[in-house]
Amino acid sequence: AQSVTQPDIHITVSEGASLELRCNYSYGATPYLFWYVQSPGQGLQLLLKYFSGDTLVQGIKGFEAEFKRSQSSFNLRKPSVHWSDAAEYFCAVGAINKFYFGSGTKLNVKP
Amino acid sequence: NAGVTQTPKFQVLKTGQSMTLQCAQDMNHEYMSWYRQDPGMGLRLIHYSVGAGITDQGEVPNGYNVSRSTTEDFPLRLLSAAPSQTSVYFCASSYGGGVGTDTQYFGPGTRLTVL
Repeated sequence: AQSVTQPDIHITVSEGASLELRCNYSYGATPYLFWYVQSPGQGLQLLLKYFSGDTLVQGIKGFEAEFKRSQSSFNLRKPSVHWSDAAEYFCAVGAINKFYFGSGTKLNVKP
Repeated sequence: NAGVTQTPKFQVLKTGQSMTLQCAQDMNHEYMSWYRQDPGMGLRLIHYSVGAGITDQGEVPNGYNVSRSTTEDFPLRLLSAAPSQTSVYFCASSYGGGVGTDTQYFGPGTRLTVL
């Protein structure tokens, strides 16, 4: 069965520090992988996606993610976090007419 | 473009009442979907549509009905609301490739409470 695991429920980092949010998935074939961000009371916005090709993908707001097939992972990174990055981040796995979200990681940013 | 719009933003129902959550998009997207978001569980797919007149069930369809008479609109109906349907509901649309294979654009959500 398909599943998406985000092992960290909450993460707190200091402004300017680097960030890595973990995502592991379980899927039979090469999946379509996404990271979405949700600010409080808002809908979800796509940060980046991986379909094929270069395993390091760049997204908006300075985020990047790396697809590692051997580890079934798609971790999200940012070299320097800004206070405005405080939000909830969701990893998702997609296939034709199927879409599975992880349970999310809430990011707090300390000044 | 307004993108994906949802109404209402908030709704309180009593058990057994019915209601329709509205969703509309102005991007001419073929694919539309409904999700519910519950604490600690991420979003789960309720129903989706691959075009006008075509709908199918997602991961958690029980208690919900959908129809797609136009490309723009994709309403979600609760026929007899239950407390277990208390949740935040998101509508999304995407251009092509299927619900899970293209960027989805999400609406702002409807927060539903069933007493």
